[in-house]
Amino acid sequence: EAQVTQNPRYLITVTGKKLTVTCSQNMNHEYMSWYRQDPGLGLRQIYYSMNVEVTDKGDVPEGYKVSRKEKRNFPLILESPSPNQTSLYFCASSPSTGTAHSYEQYFGPGTRLTVT
Amino acid sequence: KQEVTQIPAALSVPEGENLVLNCSFTDSAIYNLQWFRQDPGKGLTSLLLIQSSQREQTSGRLNASLDKSSGRSTLYIAASQPGDSATYLCASTSNTGNQFYFGTGTSLTVIP
Repeated sequence: EAQVTQNPRYLITVTGKKLTVTCSQNMNHEYMSWYRQDPGLGLRQIYYSMNVEVTDKGDVPEGYKVSRKEKRNFPLILESPSPNQTSLYFCASSPSTGTAHSYEQYFGPGTRLTVT
Repeated sequence: KQEVTQIPAALSVPEGENLVLNCSFTDSAIYNLQWFRQDPGKGLTSLLLIQSSQREQTSGRLNASLDKSSGRSTLYIAASQPGDSATYLCASTSNTGNQFYFGTGTSLTVIP
């Protein structure tokens, strides 16, 4: 089954304790992206990757890191989480140019993160 | 920076009614526009994708239109059902295809 998976689905942690949220897709998509969703603010793009070893900042990159060493995986790293990073996080992937479905995004189930 | 707005923020309709959800965007230089459905506590499910060269897309009871010149897209839902109750989000893709901008959604309730 074609899908985007995220782990963990729920995470409660404390300020300053480094954490990683994993994202994996099995559709051979070039493009992957991370979002956070907050009430009243909608989804905002954190980082995106056009392909392996190619990453760039979205609208709200502060406090986050990403890497893209393999095509299927795009982990989100919080080196020193703070309470204002409490949010619902989504990973998404899409094919890039050359198809009728270019940049049609497929989303993972979300990771609810609470930082105390 | 692209700004995407969805009006209304919430909508309640009786079952069987046809309805229109609106999405407006400030920068007409988009690659495509996508409509999603989000159920409470769940991820986003893609409903329709309209490429910038297209005017509309249809899937079952759903029809989405795109007018780039006026910066507007609409999602038409025919013969609404209680199972359509969810939040509907639209997202525009930058013309380089690398950044996405979401509206804050319209929360739809269909009353049996």
